[in-house]
Amino acid sequence: DVVMTQSPLSLPVTLGQPASISCRSSQSLVHSDGNTYLIWFQQRPGRSPRRLTYEVSNRDSGVPDRFSGSGSGTDFTLKISRVEAEDVGLYYCMQVSYWPWTFGQGTKVEIK
Amino acid sequence: EVQLVESGGGLVQPGGSLRLSCAASGFTFSSYDMNWVRQAPGKGLEWVSYISASGTGFYYADSVKGRFTISRDNAKTSVYLQMNSLGTEDTATYYCARGHFLFDPWGQGTLVTVSS
Repeated sequence: DVVMTQSPLSLPVTLGQPASISCRSSQSLVHSDGNTYLIWFQQRPGRSPRRLTYEVSNRDSGVPDRFSGSGSGTDFTLKISRVEAEDVGLYYCMQVSYWPWTFGQGTKVEIK
Repeated sequence: EVQLVESGGGLVQPGGSLRLSCAASGFTFSSYDMNWVRQAPGKGLEWVSYISASGTGFYYADSVKGRFTISRDNAKTSVYLQMNSLGTEDTATYYCARGHFLFDPWGQGTLVTVSS
């Protein structure tokens, strides 16, 4: 199975400051079709997960442009350019390139 | 509006069975693969099962293989998860999510508690 490793697992951030979450996979996520199927989700407290980005860097409609995904191969990053109070919650990366699909452990973003 | 609504969760004894449902609306259900994902209390997300749009292809996580069965009814725009031989380790909120490479959107989840 592809192991997804996120860091840090806890991320205290000052409002208005940037934040960055790393996600590393145990093997390259390049699919046989040439695409890289890496998704980032946000889960606010008490809510269902919400997709933020797909195929590494495509941001979903309605997602603020302060969120950006990047990376390639085995190394991926979710960046928040300026953290706002509504960004508090858990963030997960997930790979859907290889069965079984697997998630990272989650990163908890909180305000200092 | 695209919407997924899960139901069927509840309290069940170890060794028991439960059938979860996910009702879809706002999109052409028969064109989309579907998934079940679960989250144990205070824990992370775990993909559980996948079914193709036609219902002829499916996959399971090793942790549920042989105990859980995914199915769908395109006429009723619903996907189901039959869960047998439940153990305490299956206690979780179960979500359905649309798509093979999409995982968007997710339903609100239904809580399954396995306890004596």
